[in-house]
Amino acid sequence: EEQLVESGGGLVQPGGSLRLSCAASGFTFSIYVMSWVRQAPGKGLEWVSAVSGSGINTYYADSVKGRFTVFRDNSKNTAYLQIDSLRAEDTAVYYCAKDRAYAFETWGQGTLVSVSS
Amino acid sequence: QTVVTQEPSFSVSPGGTVTLTCGLSSGPISTTHYPSWYQQTPGQSPRTLIYDTGTRSSGVPDRFSGSILENKAALTITGAQADDESYYYCALFMPGGISLIGAGTRLTVL
Repeated sequence: EEQLVESGGGLVQPGGSLRLSCAASGFTFSIYVMSWVRQAPGKGLEWVSAVSGSGINTYYADSVKGRFTVFRDNSKNTAYLQIDSLRAEDTAVYYCAKDRAYAFETWGQGTLVSVSS
Repeated sequence: QTVVTQEPSFSVSPGGTVTLTCGLSSGPISTTHYPSWYQQTPGQSPRTLIYDTGTRSSGVPDRFSGSILENKAALTITGAQADDESYYYCALFMPGGISLIGAGTRLTVL
């Protein structure tokens, strides 16, 4: 069974940093694009970033470009999202997802990031 | 700024058929946008329903179908059930490897 487990969320002050992790199991991790999608409280889904299977190619939404860095360690079957210069508007549940045919096929349970002083 | 448009809300009677649509502010939607659809109930992770325009994800009943209708992506639910009451999101794959997700449609079954 395919499974994604996110971790690393928490309460952080504005301007702070966090590193989110997404541990994958049940599929050949290295051949799939992995994406991050977030959802602010009471709001809809927002695509944030994606990383190719090799890790060479990365993609970002304009709203996070320059502050977020996506990468992966295929030896650990884990994808990461480094979030720097956090703002209040980054408060959200962050989901990782395994891609299939340019869509999000498998989702994790999410990890909550709260930005507040 | 390109945005994905969805109906904010929709209502369907139990057993009825409803078609939710997904538009793109910059122009028509085609199969090259690989439209996908997701269902989410509050407090839960999204569930993938449809990918690549019309392919059902594993375990999704065949009363959910996806298509392109009049330059928009469409999700049709046939024989709506009470537990179909949920939020539905559309996502599109854009040039440059970017994905865009619509604001979602709140579907009520009553």
